[in-house]
Amino acid sequence: SQTIHQWPATLVQPVGSPLSLECTVEGTSNPNLYWYRQAAGRGLQLLFYSVGIGQISSEVPQNLSASRPQDRQFILSSKKLLLSDSGFYLCAWSRQHKAEAFFGQGTRLTVV
Amino acid sequence: KNEVEQSPQNLTAQEGEFITINCSYSVGISALHWLQQHPGGGIVSLFMLSSGKKKHGRLIATINIQEKHSSLHITASHPRDSAVYICAVYPGGGADGLTFGKGTHLIIQP
Repeated sequence: SQTIHQWPATLVQPVGSPLSLECTVEGTSNPNLYWYRQAAGRGLQLLFYSVGIGQISSEVPQNLSASRPQDRQFILSSKKLLLSDSGFYLCAWSRQHKAEAFFGQGTRLTVV
Repeated sequence: KNEVEQSPQNLTAQEGEFITINCSYSVGISALHWLQQHPGGGIVSLFMLSSGKKKHGRLIATINIQEKHSSLHITASHPRDSAVYICAVYPGGGADGLTFGKGTHLIIQP
């Protein structure tokens, strides 16, 4: 069966520090991978998606970047965190051209 | 870009009440998801539907594609149903991901 792992679950980081959130998928190959963010009082917003290794599409300009070094690994990064980067980050995957989506447990990031 | 609106934003009800949460979207879609998010943040997929109605236990989801509207119903609500319920739409075709509503914060009081 397919599973998705996202870590850490919670993270408190100082302003200006780097960030690395990791998401891995098991039990499938060539998934579409997604990073979403939920800021306080707002709905989940798509940040990045990837249809294959090294292929990253960004939906909104921001202080973050994403990478896909392996087929089932998706990493969200920042070189220097801002206070506005605080929020709930969610990784998800889907099969190519399919509507069904599978979600990680999310990471609650607080930048202080 | 699809605009997804949920109502109500907040809902407090007594145990046993019938609950309805609504979702409207502006652009035609391929599928719609109803998700549940508990205080810890983790998201659980409740339903994915493209037409008609689906039922799972005390939960019922309906969608009207022509009217671009979906509802989530909870029968015989229970305090453990307290959570944020999120509607998300899938446009179809490419890999553009889901567009989410802001969620409905539901509290069921004993």
